[in-house]
Amino acid sequence: TQLLEQSPQFLSIQEGENLTVYCNSSSVFSSLQWYRQEPGEGPVLLVTVVTGGEVKKLKRLTFQFGDARKDSSLHITAAQPGDTGLYLCAAHGAGSYQLTFGKGTKLSVIP
Amino acid sequence: NAGVMQNPRHLVRRRGQEARLRCSPMKGHSHVYWYRQLPEEGLKFMVYLQKENIIDESGMPKERFSAEFPKEGPSILRIQQVVRGDSAAYFCASSSDIPTNEKLFFGSGTQLSVL
Repeated sequence: TQLLEQSPQFLSIQEGENLTVYCNSSSVFSSLQWYRQEPGEGPVLLVTVVTGGEVKKLKRLTFQFGDARKDSSLHITAAQPGDTGLYLCAAHGAGSYQLTFGKGTKLSVIP
Repeated sequence: NAGVMQNPRHLVRRRGQEARLRCSPMKGHSHVYWYRQLPEEGLKFMVYLQKENIIDESGMPKERFSAEFPKEGPSILRIQQVVRGDSAAYFCASSSDIPTNEKLFFGSGTQLSVL
């Protein structure tokens, strides 16, 4: 069974600070997804990374897929209170319909 | 994700009752997935359905849980004789093609509370 380990589990920072959260696995993935989930809502897809070493930017968010396609990171620059939420990484197993999620990083950005 | 509609948003049941959770996928989507999220846990896959067919139910408990996606109408996740351990947020997602190729759109979920 593939596992996606996310760290840190909780992160509380001041507005304007930078942060990085991580998603690690011993398995190799063909692609990996990052979602953001707000309380009482479903996850919303932020990005899909496919190629080892790939870097994708979404405004102040930078996503990186490890060269070996086993790990990924999400870096947020100048965090804002609106970035508060649960950040989840997810991936499909080889040939599987099932999307496996990590437990997430709960981010709080304090004004 | 506003296009995937789940109802009810909140459902309270007493132990032993039945819970029915409904999901209408986004327009044009014929693939539906159910996930369960427990407090401090990640989302866990339960079942994947296409119209009138269950494709993969390997994540669903063998007893008391069932799912359907009829030709007409919403997908239904049914939990019979609920127990306190069934309390969780249940999310439905849909896609227009098989999930390894397509983006999943999630609904806002149904929060089930079993008293």
